[in-house]
Amino acid sequence: GENVEQHPSTLSVQEGDSAVIKCTYSDSASNYFPWYKQELGKRPQLIIDIRSNVGEKKDQRIAVTLNKTAKHFSLHITETQPEDSAVYFCAASEGNTPLVFGKGTRLSVIA
Amino acid sequence: ETGVTQTPRHLVMGMTNKKSLKCEQHLGHNAMYWYKQSAKKPLELMFVYNFKEQTENNSVPSRFSPECPNSSHLFLHLHTLQPEDSALYLCASSQGQEGAYEQYFGPGTRLTVT
Repeated sequence: GENVEQHPSTLSVQEGDSAVIKCTYSDSASNYFPWYKQELGKRPQLIIDIRSNVGEKKDQRIAVTLNKTAKHFSLHITETQPEDSAVYFCAASEGNTPLVFGKGTRLSVIA
Repeated sequence: ETGVTQTPRHLVMGMTNKKSLKCEQHLGHNAMYWYKQSAKKPLELMFVYNFKEQTENNSVPSRFSPECPNSSHLFLHLHTLQPEDSALYLCASSQGQEGAYEQYFGPGTRLTVT
């Protein structure tokens, strides 16, 4: 089955700097790659996703890139703000099976 | 955020108790999920139901027993739990069980087993 590895497990950045979180997956058939954000004490929520027919997707300050050959995808957050502090989870699925989540990255944005 | 609700929000139970967690979704989704969230395994899938039928049981001990009477409601019955079962239990729903749909999570039930 699918296995998703996520790095780093913790990340601290200065406000205004960029943050990058990377994930690798094992199943070459996976074609859907969402990212969820979980703020402290709150539920995980989808922030962006990408499908295997595109290499990059942007939504304001966040972007996701996908390299199918290398089987890895990354979340990029630019101009970080304190409200970006949260745990971020990547996930992967080949479409017919439930999502497999990474172990999460705790991002701290220092003002 | 009232799309997916869970009750109770907090639960403390002894190892010999029997309790149930409840989840309800108001989004018209067909699939519902139970996840266990702990420090060791941040988002561990337990069960998946699609159109009321269980389609995934991720090697969960029998002391956890799910029930899905209809597409809007999901229960997790608990009995003779162990202290290591203390965790946040999250319910989620999605349009379909396939992994290509966004999952909407509930607020979770914080379970403490004493």
